[in-house]
Amino acid sequence: GDSVTQMEGPVTLSEEAFLTINCTYTATGYPSLFWYVQYPGEGLQLLLKATKADDKGSNKGFEATYRKETTSFHLEKGSVQVSDSAVYFCALSDPGGFKTIFGAGTRLFVKA
Amino acid sequence: DTAVSQTPKYLVTQMGNDKSIKCEQNLGHDTMYWYKQDSKKFLKIMFSYNNKELIINETVPNRFSPKSPDKAHLNLHINSLELGDSAVYFCASRGQGGSKNIQYFGAGTRLSVL
Repeated sequence: GDSVTQMEGPVTLSEEAFLTINCTYTATGYPSLFWYVQYPGEGLQLLLKATKADDKGSNKGFEATYRKETTSFHLEKGSVQVSDSAVYFCALSDPGGFKTIFGAGTRLFVKA
Repeated sequence: DTAVSQTPKYLVTQMGNDKSIKCEQNLGHDTMYWYKQDSKKFLKIMFSYNNKELIINETVPNRFSPKSPDKAHLNLHINSLELGDSAVYFCASRGQGGSKNIQYFGAGTRLSVL
């Protein structure tokens, strides 16, 4: 079945450092790919998405590119802030289905 | 105006009790979900309803019973609570049209079973 694998955390960075969180997926069709973010005490919220190969999703300085050849959707940010401290989830969804498959989540700590 | 709202936010109860969590969405979506998040932040889908019909029912003990009185509401009733039920439960709805397949989450209900 479909699955999402993302790098284990926690990831600890200093402010203004470069961030990469790796995400790879397995899917039989052509899924849509997402990154969600969960701040402490809150529900998940969409950070960015991409619906087809080579699409780049971007939001709040975060970017991820849908790479079909490597089945990857890595999250990057050039300069992180303390306020980016959260748990990040990679996810996929079959456009024709109802289920979203989430990765295990990666906790990010950013130090001032 | 909160898009997906669930109540209560915190629920502390004794083993063996029965409790309910309510969820409402004002986004006009047809599909709603219940997820369970454990202490390691792993998110597991439990149920999904589309237009009041059950469409996803993962391997969940039958002590858990969802109810959808209309497509804007999806409630979760839990009988005979156990220690292992302690977790954060999230309600979500699924976007349509331009927001297709985007999940909109509530703020969560933290359940503690003592």
